[in-house]
Amino acid sequence: GESVGLHLPTLSVQEGDNSIINCAYSNSASDYFIWYKQESGKGPQFIIDIRSNMDKRQGQRVTVLLNKTVKHLSLQIAATQPGDSAVYFCAEKKGDSWGKLQFGAGTQVVVTP
Amino acid sequence: DVKVTQSSRYLVKRTGEKVFLECVQDMDHENMFWYRQDPGLGLRLIYFSYDVKMKEKGDIPEGYSVSREKKERFSLILESASTNQTSMYLCASNSDSYNSPLHFGNGTRLTVT
Repeated sequence: GESVGLHLPTLSVQEGDNSIINCAYSNSASDYFIWYKQESGKGPQFIIDIRSNMDKRQGQRVTVLLNKTVKHLSLQIAATQPGDSAVYFCAEKKGDSWGKLQFGAGTQVVVTP
Repeated sequence: DVKVTQSSRYLVKRTGEKVFLECVQDMDHENMFWYRQDPGLGLRLIYFSYDVKMKEKGDIPEGYSVSREKKERFSLILESASTNQTSMYLCASNSDSYNSPLHFGNGTRLTVT
């Protein structure tokens, strides 16, 4: 889930297993959500997005699930690989303005052999 | 692929100096953004621009200004750098369509001594 304070939550995953990263969002009126991956020393990289009129969206090895009832977003990574080790964070768009895009603090994913 | 290029990866400046961070995007995006990223705090919006010469304050604009004279270029200016502005600065851009994810540069790590 999202972090509070200075230490990111860490998800340790064995190579080949599936990863599930969670995000709780704050505004029931938010209607667009984005997942990013950030590797050490790099900028955030877009992974997948979803609009609120959808419950699920799939990409290559990734699936995003949206549960509007409990304001919860998850990112599933299939067959996790060492290259998936990174910080993952979600973003929610809270209104019409792109200035209202709010980012979570992120989850550190560590893939072990 | 969208390319957002930040002119410097690392900068070291002294307190009181005027600092310019430059960002260029090559996808003709209408919107450009400056964020700062600090451990445990997620990405916080400093300013964004939705058109040439147009800008809006984000969540933490104090101590910063911006300039957008050309569509592809967005500059962040620290008028008088202070030690609490030591941070990672990330530039991003997107198009003005509804579900257009932000694309980020690789960041500038600024240290103010």
